[in-house]
Amino acid sequence: SAVISQKPSRDICQRGTSLTIQCQVDSQVTMMFWYRQQPGQSLTLIATANQGSEATYESGFVIDKFPISRPNLTFSTLTVSNMSPEDSSIYLCSVRGQGAKNIQYFGAGTRLSVL
Amino acid sequence: AQKVTQAQTEISVVEKEDVTLDCVYETRDTTYYLFWYKQPPSGELVFLIRRNSFDEQNEISGRYSWNFQKSTSSFNFTITASQVVDSAVYFCALSGGVSYNTDKLIFGTGTRLQVFP
Repeated sequence: SAVISQKPSRDICQRGTSLTIQCQVDSQVTMMFWYRQQPGQSLTLIATANQGSEATYESGFVIDKFPISRPNLTFSTLTVSNMSPEDSSIYLCSVRGQGAKNIQYFGAGTRLSVL
Repeated sequence: AQKVTQAQTEISVVEKEDVTLDCVYETRDTTYYLFWYKQPPSGELVFLIRRNSFDEQNEISGRYSWNFQKSTSSFNFTITASQVVDSAVYFCALSGGVSYNTDKLIFGTGTRLQVFP
């Protein structure tokens, strides 16, 4: 498995501002993923981030709202732009594990509240 | 389309009781993977198990066991002699197939398990 650190762990933000969430992994990984978990809901994939290429967004998510960077094999950021209260969620970073196919390991998440 | 259904929203048991969490999935692919994750109150998702579609053997790991039945499209999770530390939200998930992003995890809505002393 991989050790994944997310920062910040939680934040309270004002409407209209932006927040950048960082995800750091203790080993080099090809694929990183960003998920959103709205209050009391399940997890939904926002985008897949491969190093050296543009992130691939899922239906309903756009780059202007959720820009992603992937500058190297151990780090990624997700920005939540022009926030509204509907963006209040837990945002989780995950990585595909080395070896066993398709297993994803998750960070502790960032709890975001937008006022 | 791929879909995962966890019909049990919340289950409450008393310590030492056995509990089964249900998971039913839908997919048109013949190759796929099924997962269970645990989300304790701290928020992180903890990987519990992965099962591929060609392996229907049941698996036991300590107090945890999983029953995979392709005939009913189910992948149920049983905790034997539950403990307070088992209290968490448990998610069943599905990925794989050639029609979709094979790494994309489709999650069920989760089952909140509360184990009382």
